Amino acid sequence: SQQGEEDPQALSIQEGENATMNCSYKTSINNLQWYRQNSGRGLVHLILIRSNEREKHSGRLRVTLDTSKKSSSLLITASRAADTASYFCATAPTGANSKLTFGKGITLSVRP
Amino acid sequence: IAGITQAPTSQILAAGRRMTLRCTQDMRHNAMYWYRQDLGLGLRLIHYSNTAGTTGKGEVPDGYSVSRANTDDFPLTLASAVPSQTSVYFCASRILGAVSNEKLFFGSGTQLSVL
Repeated sequence: SQQGEEDPQALSIQEGENATMNCSYKTSINNLQWYRQNSGRGLVHLILIRSNEREKHSGRLRVTLDTSKKSSSLLITASRAADTASYFCATAPTGANSKLTFGKGITLSVRP
Repeated sequence: IAGITQAPTSQILAAGRRMTLRCTQDMRHNAMYWYRQDLGLGLRLIHYSNTAGTTGKGEVPDGYSVSRANTDDFPLTLASAVPSQTSVYFCASRILGAVSNEKLFFGSGTQLSVL
């Protein structure tokens, strides 16, 4: 069963706007990660946030983590058409060598 | 170029046939994983290996087997394919251990259709 659940399932925005994607999970985690998948390709790691962190930035990406609510958000600022892709959150449950569990993904479309 | 190579890229297979999906990485990662991706279900873990010589079952292991004879290779075998195994299969790897890196590196996937 999925540990992480993304919201919304699909998002369509205009180029230049910000895109916010949310992820909720069920159990305690070591870290939460966001991945991107372009159509027909493998997933690519974007950013990782640990359970003791609340916010992290990487370029135009900002991720937040609220462990009390068991939720995370990924913000992409000043979106570009090239950001069009599917985005997945993945959680690493607590414990050594835990396996990542992925959500079902969010389809982001950025209109030029 | 360092990374993960999967083969074949795509395959159409008759039900009941045996098939091995190949995965090779040259990053010397100790942990490797097989996921399947289905529309509406996301990625689900089939089998994993934390180090050469060991394997473990994931969320959906039935109908699949793996082996890890060395660090670089992690083949996935369908002993007798069924239509429900039609999916896109992704191999992934990462470093586990004292200097661990939790992020996964993915191959480009194998599109498998079982008819």
